[in-house]
Amino acid sequence: GQNIDQPTEMTATEGAIVQINCTYQTSGFNGLFWYQQHAGEAPTFLSYNVLDGLEEKGRFSSFLSRSKGYSYLLLKELQMKDSASYLCAVLSYGNNRLAFGKGNQVVVIP
Amino acid sequence: SQTIHQWPATLVQPVGSPLSLECTVEGTSNPNLYWYRQAAGRGLQLLFYSVGIGQISSEVPQNLSASRPQDRQFILSSKKLLLSDSGFYLCAWSQEGGSYNEQFFGPGTRLTVL
Repeated sequence: GQNIDQPTEMTATEGAIVQINCTYQTSGFNGLFWYQQHAGEAPTFLSYNVLDGLEEKGRFSSFLSRSKGYSYLLLKELQMKDSASYLCAVLSYGNNRLAFGKGNQVVVIP
Repeated sequence: SQTIHQWPATLVQPVGSPLSLECTVEGTSNPNLYWYRQAAGRGLQLLFYSVGIGQISSEVPQNLSASRPQDRQFILSSKKLLLSDSGFYLCAWSQEGGSYNEQFFGPGTRLTVL
């Protein structure tokens, strides 16, 4: 099975940079996804990493180290609308199922 | 373009009553379909997953069941709801096969069992 760990909550100031970490343990790693979920809404896709390194997409970047079972999501130039829960999810070979972490709640303050 | 619908959006049901939540996908064929539950303060828990009509995999033992009567329709049911069934139920779809398996989520149903 999979074990995915994320810190639960963090507060950051508008305009700042925040890093959200995710560690995982799985057999047959086949990709890691980051989703954003605003309160009461469905998760929306942010990024996908399957190879080591950094993927940049506008203000959001995601990093993966397969050997360390570690990923982070970097949010730059924080905006109030970035207040949300950020979910890390791991895909394993041989199935089509994503295993989600509990999510990290980011609160952006003025 | 593809869209995913869920209904109802919110539901309040008494303990012991039946449940039927519906999910439909448009604009794609042979999708993989998923039912998740998100309880307060907890992560997304996969309940059921389906790769085709009539093919359902159950991830956790529970008093819920799922059915896929048509290619793009996925139904979550219960004969008798428990208090612990309260939560936010999300349906999702992904492309058939492939290794890049982004899942697209529906708007969700918030279920409160009293």
